[in-house]
Parts: sequence; C-alpha cells; structure tokens
Amino acid sequence: NAGVTQTPKFQVLKTGQSMTLQCAQDMNHEYMSWYRQDPGMGLRLIHYSVGAGITDQGEVPNGYNVSRSTTEDFPLRLLSAAPSQTSVYFCASRLSGGRNNEQFFGPGTRLTVL
Amino acid sequence: GDSVTQMEGPVTLSEEAFLTINCTYTATGYPSLFWYVQYPGEGLQLLLKATKADDKGSNKGFEATYRKETTSFHLEKGSVQVSDSAVYFCALSGSGANSKLTFGKGITLSVRP
Repeated sequence: NAGVTQTPKFQVLKTGQSMTLQCAQDMNHEYMSWYRQDPGMGLRLIHYSVGAGITDQGEVPNGYNVSRSTTEDFPLRLLSAAPSQTSVYFCASRLSGGRNNEQFFGPGTRLTVL
Repeated sequence: GDSVTQMEGPVTLSEEAFLTINCTYTATGYPSLFWYVQYPGEGLQLLLKATKADDKGSNKGFEATYRKETTSFHLEKGSVQVSDSAVYFCALSGSGANSKLTFGKGITLSVRP
C-alpha cells in the first residue's frame, strides 16, 4: 500500500492564481480531511469528508474548496491564492465509524504564495 | 468546543535524559486521546493513544496515561535518544463516530548527543 499520497511536494504561486492540491489514499478509508500547519498554530482542519459525495467545513475553510467524487481522491482547490495561505498542507484519512481509528497522514505540500 | 493545550517549547535535552511533555484538554463527553509525532520533513504519524480513563498508551519507550480527573495526557520517556528529535502533537477526538481530531500547537524536541 502506498498509504496517503500528496502532490506536489512544493509549490510557489502568485497572488490570485488558482491551483489544486492532490490527495489520494489506497486503504479504502471513508474519512478524509485536509489540515494546514502554521508555526505556533498546530494543525487546523480546513475541510473533511465522511464518504464519496459528502464534504463539510472545518475550522478554517475560507478560500478553499473540496469535492469527493471517489473514495480514493480528495483534492483541495485554492480559487484565488493569497499570501495568508502560505503554509504546509496535510491530507489525512482513516476508517469511518470509529473515533479511535488512527488517522494516516500524507507527507505534506509546502505552498508559498507571493 | 474541544481544545488541547500543550506546554510551551522548544525543549532541548541531552541523550538519556528523562522527558515529560505536558498536555491538558477540554472536551465534552469521553474523548479519545492521542500523541502524534512529526519527524523533520515528514507527515504526522501516530505515536500512541488511549481511549478511556486510566488507559495507558505506550510505544517506542514513550508512555502516556489518560487522567480524567486532571484532564491530562502527559507524554513521558525514561531515556531519550537523538532519534527522538521531532515535533510532538497532543490531540483528542470527540465522542461521535465521525468526530474530528483537535490538535495542540505541538512542541519541538531536540536531543543532543
């Protein structure tokens, strides 16, 4: 199993540009989520999904869109990038139906917005 | 809402020193508690967990006990190694089946030879 994969590893954008961060998992996990990690802030939840076709907002959803058309993929879209979105982004997945289930994290995407 | 508070960092220790990283939480119901570790340049990985009061999670020489009376889940290790240098996150998951993970701010541990 590849686990949770994310692409790209690094990205530099200019203010106003759009892009999609890719996330895929091969563990048949229903629950997937996106976090951003900023110095001194820990990880903050952006959006999450409990299954294909179902998404919901997390703690910091503004400026980001998600969709979940398949169990495997959960892309994160930045519609118009802003410098405040400079961060490291992590995708995670776990089995649904049990709050004790371990979350598996991808290696992260480091995004810089100029 | 749910929240997790970790002690301020960073922490620098010499090899073989004793480690304690404090974590306290606020939550309704009966949360599950976790410690995640992030090695340089990598994503987070689960270090240990505890799902009910008085449970002790342990892994790789690390331990943490779920203390409901003090709402704490402190991480300890008797003898740290240079390879333990990483960022450590305390987290909790609420009572619902699809509850989200709430993280503390993380603390950076550096172990010198």
